[in-house]
Amino acid sequence: AQRVTQPEKLLSVFKGAPVELKCNYSYSGSPELFWYVQYSRQRLQLLLRHISRESIKGFTADLNKGETSFHLKKPFAQEEDSAMYYCALLGKGAQKLVFGQGTRLTINP
Amino acid sequence: NAGVTQTPKFRVLKTGQSMTLLCAQDMNHEYMYWYRQDPGMGLRLIHYSVGEGTTAKGEVPDGYNVSRLKKQNFLLGLESAAPSQTSVYFCASSHDFPELAGVYEQYFGPGTRLTVT
Repeated sequence: AQRVTQPEKLLSVFKGAPVELKCNYSYSGSPELFWYVQYSRQRLQLLLRHISRESIKGFTADLNKGETSFHLKKPFAQEEDSAMYYCALLGKGAQKLVFGQGTRLTINP
Repeated sequence: NAGVTQTPKFRVLKTGQSMTLLCAQDMNHEYMYWYRQDPGMGLRLIHYSVGEGTTAKGEVPDGYNVSRLKKQNFLLGLESAAPSQTSVYFCASSHDFPELAGVYEQYFGPGTRLTVT
């Protein structure tokens, strides 16, 4: 079964501090993984995809197949990073994403 | 391009009433999805469609029906609303080649906030 787990429903850090949002997955194979973000009063949008190995808005995420994790990291949090973050998995040949439960990140000034 | 639009934005229903949520996309996407978002539960897939005239059940389909009569529209119906269906509903669409993960992306609508009393 495909499953995505985000163990933290809420995460609060101070501005300038490092932030890490955890994502663990269960999938028998090599999945494609994504992070989506929903800022206040905005629609959900793609933040980054692991296959691109990109850094978006200072965020990076590394796929660790051994630990089946895809944690989202940023070295120095900014207030505008406050949002709801979802980790999502796309199985091989799948037609739909499997989303985690989401983590609400709050950056305190 | 408007992208993905949803109507209405807000709605209050009484238990037992029915309604239809409309999702429209102008990106010529084959795939469309309906999700509900609840605190602590994240995004859960209700139904989806991989092309005009097709529909499939997602994770939480009970109490909902869908139709995809036109490629650009995906309708979500509640025949007899229940308080448990109080939620924020999101529609999304994507192209039909998910194997190309380097370009795969779901585009979301702004959401419909539904309250059932």
